[in-house]
Amino acid sequence: GAVVSQHPSWVICKSGTSVKIECRSLDFQATTMFWYRQFPKQSLMLMATSNEGSKATYEQGVEKDKFLINHASLTLSTLTVTSAHPEDSSFYICSAREQGVAKNIQYFGAGTRLSVL
Amino acid sequence: AQSVAQPEDQVNVAEGNPLTVKCTYSVSGNPYLFWYVQYPNRGLQFLLKYITGDNLVKGSYGFEAEFNKSQTSFHLKKPSALVSDSALYFCAVREDTGRRALTFGSGTRLQVQP
Repeated sequence: GAVVSQHPSWVICKSGTSVKIECRSLDFQATTMFWYRQFPKQSLMLMATSNEGSKATYEQGVEKDKFLINHASLTLSTLTVTSAHPEDSSFYICSAREQGVAKNIQYFGAGTRLSVL
Repeated sequence: AQSVAQPEDQVNVAEGNPLTVKCTYSVSGNPYLFWYVQYPNRGLQFLLKYITGDNLVKGSYGFEAEFNKSQTSFHLKKPSALVSDSALYFCAVREDTGRRALTFGSGTRLQVQP
């Protein structure tokens, strides 16, 4: 199957700093990437949908100025958590869907655990 | 709107016995249904999907799922469970129109006892 690489896998930062998470589709082109957040023992909650070359679409309740998403190419999307606070600590997972209507599977990165001190 | 329900937080089964993990869904149009598995501190691994065609779908690691339109269900099954199958399983759905993201169920923890 297709591979999605997510980096870093774990990051610890001080409150008030910004953290960037990268998501790459290694062997396919993804016009659409998704960013999810997962709290312990809970399901994945969609944060935003990222489309290559255009602005991301954020889900209700997600602050777009806090969670900056850039999808500059068909293989790379980044999520930047700006001015991180302890309540932003979570497991962030990116997902990419292969280009083409027939390609329906969303492939997932291994996730990034963010701990804000 | 699209939604998924996984009624069981945890399923316990003895190794070698058949297992079933339940999932029901709700969508406006035709559903695209998926099962994923998650191991601790890892992302999700794709197991299988139903888009169209045969109601019984076979996937990775011996798993299969049956699409039942009248009951709006997509239960995950395996004839003989392995200890290594112990993990967190997610059912997901999206409508067949548009480019929406998957909506996930709350997850079911499968515990296979030796």
